[in-house]
Amino acid sequence: QLQLQESGPGLVKPSETLSLTCTVSGGSITSNSYYWGWIRQPPGKGLEFIGTLHYSGSTFYNPSLKSRVTMSVDTSNNQFSLKLTSVTAADTAVYYCAREVDGLWLRWFDPWGQGTLVTVSS
Amino acid sequence: QLVLTQSPSASASLGASVKLTCTLSSGHSSYAIAWHQQQPEKGPRYLMRLNSDGSHTKGDGIPDRFSGSSSGAERYLTISSLQSDDEADYYCQTWGTGIGVFGGGTKLTVL
Repeated sequence: QLQLQESGPGLVKPSETLSLTCTVSGGSITSNSYYWGWIRQPPGKGLEFIGTLHYSGSTFYNPSLKSRVTMSVDTSNNQFSLKLTSVTAADTAVYYCAREVDGLWLRWFDPWGQGTLVTVSS
Repeated sequence: QLVLTQSPSASASLGASVKLTCTLSSGHSSYAIAWHQQQPEKGPRYLMRLNSDGSHTKGDGIPDRFSGSSSGAERYLTISSLQSDDEADYYCQTWGTGIGVFGGGTKLTVL
């Protein structure tokens, strides 16, 4: 059974870089059939797509975040990562990683990690 | 612009049925969507993929009480025989040109 687990600092200072890692277990990150994604949820609000990447290096980023986002993959450790630069309080959220399934005419997220809260504060 | 619209809240009684709606923006009525459930303090869980013709494919372990249907630009999630742990937020999601799109979510209260 595929499982994903987010890890990283729970507190980041304004203007600094948020860095998170997602560890995948129970399956390989190098499967051609899947992308790997990041989604966030500000406290009390809905879900926001951040981006997805394929182990080959192909990426899709939310245009509203594209200038600040970098995603990468570490195949040797079966992990993928998110970096978000120049953070502000508006980036405070629970960050989820998920596998993205590329189906016919639709891509969806399944399964999801449990999420990790990142607070931006000095 | 691709937008998914959901009512902020819904409620129904224990043991009853409820139908949640996700509406696709103009020009996108043929799009398939996915439904996700988020129970309190948990990560989301994929429920099903729902096509424009109403055909749907559920995720592993999703009970038969959950079903999907479609009409025009509207995509529905019906939950029958409501249980207390169905009380959750429900999100619809689709894929635009290089971007995932989520609806605002519907908070379901089981009375």
